[in-house]
Amino acid sequence: AQRVTQPEKLLSVFKGAPVELKCNYSYSGSPELFWYVQYSRQRLQLLLRHISRESIKGFTADLNKGETSFHLKKPFAQEEDSAMYYCALGFGGNTPLVFGKGTRLSVIA
Amino acid sequence: EAQVTQNPRYLITVTGKKLTVTCSQNMNHEYMSWYRQDPGLGLRQIYYSMNVEVTDKGDVPEGYKVSRKEKRNFPLILESPSPNQTSLYFCASSDFPGSNQPQHFGDGTRLSIL
Repeated sequence: AQRVTQPEKLLSVFKGAPVELKCNYSYSGSPELFWYVQYSRQRLQLLLRHISRESIKGFTADLNKGETSFHLKKPFAQEEDSAMYYCALGFGGNTPLVFGKGTRLSVIA
Repeated sequence: EAQVTQNPRYLITVTGKKLTVTCSQNMNHEYMSWYRQDPGLGLRQIYYSMNVEVTDKGDVPEGYKVSRKEKRNFPLILESPSPNQTSLYFCASSDFPGSNQPQHFGDGTRLSIL
């Protein structure tokens, strides 16, 4: 079955330190991958998607098909990055997105 | 402004008292879905709808009903709520029937079932 794994429930880093939020997926086809972010008491919102290959708020993510990973990275964490981050996998067609269980990022001043 | 609107935002109720959480989107999206968010379990899909009059079960449909009579609305119905349905609920919509498009989420509804 298709699955998204975010191995860390909680990740704490110091302000200014690099951040890497891990996401691994299981799917043999061509995946669509997304990162969603949820700031405290707010709705989930799309952070980035792999086909855009863009950087949002300093975050980037590269799809590695060999390792089936889509890790989210930022070179210098900011306090305002503290949030819940969800990785999501899409398959095309009429199949809903599959979300990982999320990683809570805490950036310590 | 493009948005997904859920109501109510907060509700405290008692076991067995039927309730409905409404969800409405103004983006003419075909795909809509409901999720519940619980600590340590992340987002779990309850039901989804590919189009009007088309609904399907997600991962955790037990105890819930939905309907899609109009394209813009996708209410979530709890016929006989129980305490294990206490959770934070999100409605989402996206363009095109399918998962390749990013989803737009509502602000969430926090339900407490006593």
